[in-house]
Amino acid sequence: DGGITQSPKYLFRKEGQNVTLSCEQNLNHDAMYWYRQDPGQGLRLIYYSQIVNDFQKGDIAEGYSVSREKKESFPLTVTSAQKNPTAFYLCASSPYRMNTEAFFGQGTRLTVV
Amino acid sequence: AQTVTQSQPEMSVQEAETVTLSCTYDTSESDYYLFWYKQPPSRQMILVIRQEAYKQQNATENRFSVNFQKAAKSFSLKISDSQLGDAAMYFCAYTGTYKYIFGTGTRLKVLA
Repeated sequence: DGGITQSPKYLFRKEGQNVTLSCEQNLNHDAMYWYRQDPGQGLRLIYYSQIVNDFQKGDIAEGYSVSREKKESFPLTVTSAQKNPTAFYLCASSPYRMNTEAFFGQGTRLTVV
Repeated sequence: AQTVTQSQPEMSVQEAETVTLSCTYDTSESDYYLFWYKQPPSRQMILVIRQEAYKQQNATENRFSVNFQKAAKSFSLKISDSQLGDAAMYFCAYTGTYKYIFGTGTRLKVLA
């Protein structure tokens, strides 16, 4: 079945450590996105990529980095520069023309202690 | 910049009754799409309904329908015959050219 897979579902890291969240899709979608979800703040865009080897900052990119070396994969690294990294992270993808909905992974809950 | 506003942080509805969730948006784009997503306790985002801005007819999916007022930039979701399984966070979303923008969500409680 086609879909988006995020791993792991839960992730714990010590403060000051970088951590990478995985996102893989087999929907053949060109565009991929990373969102952060905090209570009362909805989904906020971190980074997005419309094609391989290209990506743009979203509204809250500071302290995060991404790569897009393959169409199927869009990993997100939460760096030690991110001041409040504990959150729920959602990855999504869509066809390039965006005339349809975004499809979401099941999310990763990151807890930094 | 495009924005999406959901002014109701929480709503309650009695089982079998009807409830309307509000959403307003702001954009200067002429071609765009609007969505309602449901996020149950599992936190999986599920598409409820989609509306193309160029279509005047309001979208309907079974018990879910929208009231799309393009001039007013309003996009409300009506849930008829509410069921216990409808309890979730509901997000209004907009997409135009490059990205999807979400509102802050409305938590819907369904009372038995």
